[in-house]
Amino acid sequence: GESVGLHLPTLSVQEGDNSIINCAYSNSASDYFIWYKQESGKGPQFIIDIRSNMDKRQGQRVTVLLNKTVKHLSLQIAATQPGDSAVYFCAENMNSGYSTLTFGKGTMLLVSP
Amino acid sequence: GAVVSQHPSWVICKSGTSVKIECRSLDFQATTMFWYRQFPKQSLMLMATSNEGSKATYEQGVEKDKFLINHASLTLSTLTVTSAHPEDSSFYICSARDSQTWVNNEQFFGPGTRLTVL
Repeated sequence: GESVGLHLPTLSVQEGDNSIINCAYSNSASDYFIWYKQESGKGPQFIIDIRSNMDKRQGQRVTVLLNKTVKHLSLQIAATQPGDSAVYFCAENMNSGYSTLTFGKGTMLLVSP
Repeated sequence: GAVVSQHPSWVICKSGTSVKIECRSLDFQATTMFWYRQFPKQSLMLMATSNEGSKATYEQGVEKDKFLINHASLTLSTLTVTSAHPEDSSFYICSARDSQTWVNNEQFFGPGTRLTVL
């Protein structure tokens, strides 16, 4: 299930399940979105991105969905594996000039065997 | 390709001392690098944008005289935490944009530096 901790929401799933991680972004002018995976003590690792002219993009075992109407982004991980356990962040950006990334709060994904 | 390194990976220092953290783009040139700070169980917060050959741009609330940034070459940016205090203990992460193939504002992240101030 999903729980909200003091700082970081946590999603606990069983190995083999499909996981869905949600993110609400803040800026309606953002037009580029990225999901990152961060393992403990490491820097963020790029997973998948999507531009605002798309509502869905698929990668290997991952799918990102974008709903601009409600400023919502989701990351779907198929057949979740223990190695997927990490903190997942969405980030938004305006694809113009030298704009900066704004990171969401993050969700910890715990995959039990 | 597109590898970013940081040095040191961790550092422990005494309160009142200064600590320098290096961020290097190993196989590309980066006119723009970014410095983030991350406290435990929290998100990455942008501290400043480092521009090669010019002054860094600091985010609101970040003291530029405390967090000195130097971006003297196309592959190296440094962050110096001056007169460090225990509340500066954090995970510092840098990222870099590839100047040659800048696409979608993509940033490549370093592995982070854990700073502990005693």
